Amino acid sequence: QKEVEQDPGPLSVPEGAIVSLNCTYSNSAFQYFMWYRQYSRKGPELLMYTYSSGNKEDGRFTAQVDKSSKYISLFIRDSQPSDSATYLCAMRGADKLIFGTGTRLQVFP
Amino acid sequence: GAVVSQHPSWVICKSGTSVKIECRSLDFQATTMFWYRQFPKQSLMLMATSNEGSKATYEQGVEKDKFLINHASLTLSTLTVTSAHPEDSSFYICSVAPSTSGVYEQYFGPGTRLTVT
Repeated sequence: QKEVEQDPGPLSVPEGAIVSLNCTYSNSAFQYFMWYRQYSRKGPELLMYTYSSGNKEDGRFTAQVDKSSKYISLFIRDSQPSDSATYLCAMRGADKLIFGTGTRLQVFP
Repeated sequence: GAVVSQHPSWVICKSGTSVKIECRSLDFQATTMFWYRQFPKQSLMLMATSNEGSKATYEQGVEKDKFLINHASLTLSTLTVTSAHPEDSSFYICSVAPSTSGVYEQYFGPGTRLTVT
């Protein structure tokens, strides 16, 4: 079993939709959770990070952590074609980040 | 965040030759940098942790003699792919972590696409 599981998609939604991206993990010791966005042929860009359980909002993006279920989510409101990218979750391990495989999102006009 | 550059952004080389990729931290001094490899439609695979002034720490399964890492200054780490073969063709990305405590978030460079013919 992988430490971090993420549905690879692709996920295709119309512009304006609410998008939900999710990851599950197995290590209950994880406390720091991150979401990265990666455009094609570019390096990943840090979107948000959260500590422990709870929600964090930044503009159209909301990150949610449920440690009891070992489940994290990223919600994108009013999705735009420019949001089309691969979204990777990441968690802090002992001395490195553990990444999910990434979910490819396509927002069509 | 932190600003990271990589050079070159794209390189093609012949099988058997060596290629050097540079990673620069532009706005802070990085004692630790990371090198990742990413195959098409796959996630990031950590290759090694580069430590300024000391030897890199390689992940299991990564050949240290093939992927030479030199972190000679607080702003520069290099990855040299020696005797490259077509199976080494991939997207190589470096990152820096401004703080190794707390979140330990990393900031990535734009990546280098290596094609070995």
